[in-house]
Amino acid sequence: QKEVEQNSGPLSVPEGAIASLNCTYSDRGSQSFFWYRQYSGKSPELIMSIYSNGDKEDGRFTAQLNKASQYVSLLIRDSQPSDSATYLCAVVSGGYQKVTFGIGTKLQVIP
Amino acid sequence: GAVVSQHPSWVICKSGTSVKIECRSLDFQATTMFWYRQFPKQSLMLMATSNEGSKATYEQGVEKDKFLINHASLTLSTLTVTSAHPEDSSFYICSARGTSAVAGGYTFGSGTRLTVV
Repeated sequence: QKEVEQNSGPLSVPEGAIASLNCTYSDRGSQSFFWYRQYSGKSPELIMSIYSNGDKEDGRFTAQLNKASQYVSLLIRDSQPSDSATYLCAVVSGGYQKVTFGIGTKLQVIP
Repeated sequence: GAVVSQHPSWVICKSGTSVKIECRSLDFQATTMFWYRQFPKQSLMLMATSNEGSKATYEQGVEKDKFLINHASLTLSTLTVTSAHPEDSSFYICSARGTSAVAGGYTFGSGTRLTVV
């Protein structure tokens, strides 16, 4: 079983719609959870971080964490073509607190 | 905010030669540096973790004698790909963690595109 699982997509949504990205993880002891956006050929950039169960909102982005289900999601409201990118779910666990990434979900926002 | 400068951004080298990639934390002390590799259409794969002044801890399947990591100071870590082969061609990214939580505590460099010909 992969440590962090994501559907690779592509996920296509029309402009203005809500994009829902999902991620599951295997290590129950995981402590921190991040969503990164990566454009082709570029380094990842942090979108959201979440540490406790529930929702966390930042502008058009909402991260949701459910530790009992080992599930974390990212909602993007009013999706824009500029949101088209690969979204990486990252989970921190272990003594070294290493970050493990999912394969990423490619999002395409159609104008 | 925290910034990690990674150089070079791209490099082309001949098979059998060595390439050094540098990551510098510009405005914070990077106590831990993570080195990742990303092949096309794949996720970032952790290669090794290094703490300042200590030997790096390599992930399973990563050759420590081929990928030399040095983290001699709190602001500089280097990855040297020795005796490079075409299959080493990839996107290499460093990520630094400092003593305070900024940007989620992990700051990425801009990445290095390595092409071995």
